[in-house]
Amino acid sequence: EAGVTQSPTHLIKTRGQQATLRCSPISGHTSVYWYQQALGLGLQFLLWYDEGEERNRGNFPPRFSGRQFPNYSSELNVNALELEDSALYLCASSLVPTGANQPQHFGDGTRLSIL
Amino acid sequence: GDSVTQMEGPVTLSEEAFLTINCTYTATGYPSLFWYVQYPGEGLQLLLKATKADDKGSNKGFEATYRKETTSFHLEKGSVQVSDSAVYFCALMRFSSASKIIFGSGTRLSIRP
Repeated sequence: EAGVTQSPTHLIKTRGQQATLRCSPISGHTSVYWYQQALGLGLQFLLWYDEGEERNRGNFPPRFSGRQFPNYSSELNVNALELEDSALYLCASSLVPTGANQPQHFGDGTRLSIL
Repeated sequence: GDSVTQMEGPVTLSEEAFLTINCTYTATGYPSLFWYVQYPGEGLQLLLKATKADDKGSNKGFEATYRKETTSFHLEKGSVQVSDSAVYFCALMRFSSASKIIFGSGTRLSIRP
């Protein structure tokens, strides 16, 4: 069974540009989550999508947005990039959008570097 | 709000040493608790989990017991190997928080041969 796949592996942008990160969940998983792993800040929750809708978002500005497609894959878009957006962006998926017994499975991440 | 606190790293041990990585949490209700591991160059993998008080999660020789009285979920392994070198994240999730996982800051573990 293929795991969560993310693309690209690395992405280099300059300040003010826009970045698009992609995620394909495990087959059968309907929920997709995005996290930011910035140096010194640990892992922070960004967004949660389920059945094509945004269900929850973390404490990030509106220039972080995304969407989920009918095949449950997802995009994360970051507009007006700033230097502090440099981080590893992790995508995770789970079978159903519940908490306790449905762990989230993570991809290897996209390393976004802002020059 | 909910939070997870884990011991700061890096932790460096010799092969076959005993490992403990401390983790405590703050949350209302009864969260589920997790340990995730991130090997060099890879994404996060679920290592083990516990969903209620006194549950013990175990995997690959690692164990952690959900202690509600001390709000702790310490990770232990009796004999570590070089291949255990990674960053370990303690995390919690409550259903009422709509599937959002709260992570600790991570502990980097290095094992010397």
